[in-house]
Amino acid sequence: AQSVTQLDSHVSVSEGTPVLLRCNYSSSYSPSLFWYVQHPNKGLQLLLKYTSAATLVKGINGFEAEFKKSETSFHLTKPSAHMSDAAEYFCVVSRGDMRFGAGTRLTVKP
Amino acid sequence: GAGVSQSPRYKVAKRGQDVALRCDPISGHVSLFWYQQALGQGPEFLTYFQNEAQLDKSGLPSDRFFAERPEGSVSTLKIQRTQQEDSAVYLCASSLGQRGDTQYFGPGTRLTVL
Repeated sequence: AQSVTQLDSHVSVSEGTPVLLRCNYSSSYSPSLFWYVQHPNKGLQLLLKYTSAATLVKGINGFEAEFKKSETSFHLTKPSAHMSDAAEYFCVVSRGDMRFGAGTRLTVKP
Repeated sequence: GAGVSQSPRYKVAKRGQDVALRCDPISGHVSLFWYQQALGQGPEFLTYFQNEAQLDKSGLPSDRFFAERPEGSVSTLKIQRTQQEDSAVYLCASSLGQRGDTQYFGPGTRLTVL
């Protein structure tokens, strides 16, 4: 069985400060892990994907995530938040079928 | 277009009505998926097609839900005798190869059942 837990339902940061969105996963075997972003009234957009090639994964728009097997974590970070980063973020674990977390809403204050 | 498209974008149905939701995947994509996203939740898997074959329908919540992809491209999700609990955003995704490949999502259809 596989599942993913997003530890924060809502994160609020100021523009220009770092972003940290936390995700823990559970999987019997080495999974693929994803982060997707969902802007209002738009489809889910892939930010980045981990498939065991490298533990630090760089994605679009300056986001990156680090796979830590010992901690079963796949946290998403960005050094400096922009207003346009405000959205809902989903962590996903997959071994064929994709299991989504409940989402973290990121708010960016000016 | 280059992405996954869905229609209609919004649908309001009276309880008991039948609805049909359409998905146009990215051209050439073999795999197609349907998800249901309730308000404030992450998407949940409904069903999966590889070409025209429906290989997994384990996520369909009841026999009122039916999906097809007869020619291996466009797919339709049909919900019969809609209930209020069916209100959600229905997302379609496609991927180039088999099930484990990266999925590309459409904008979704927001269904409201009154």
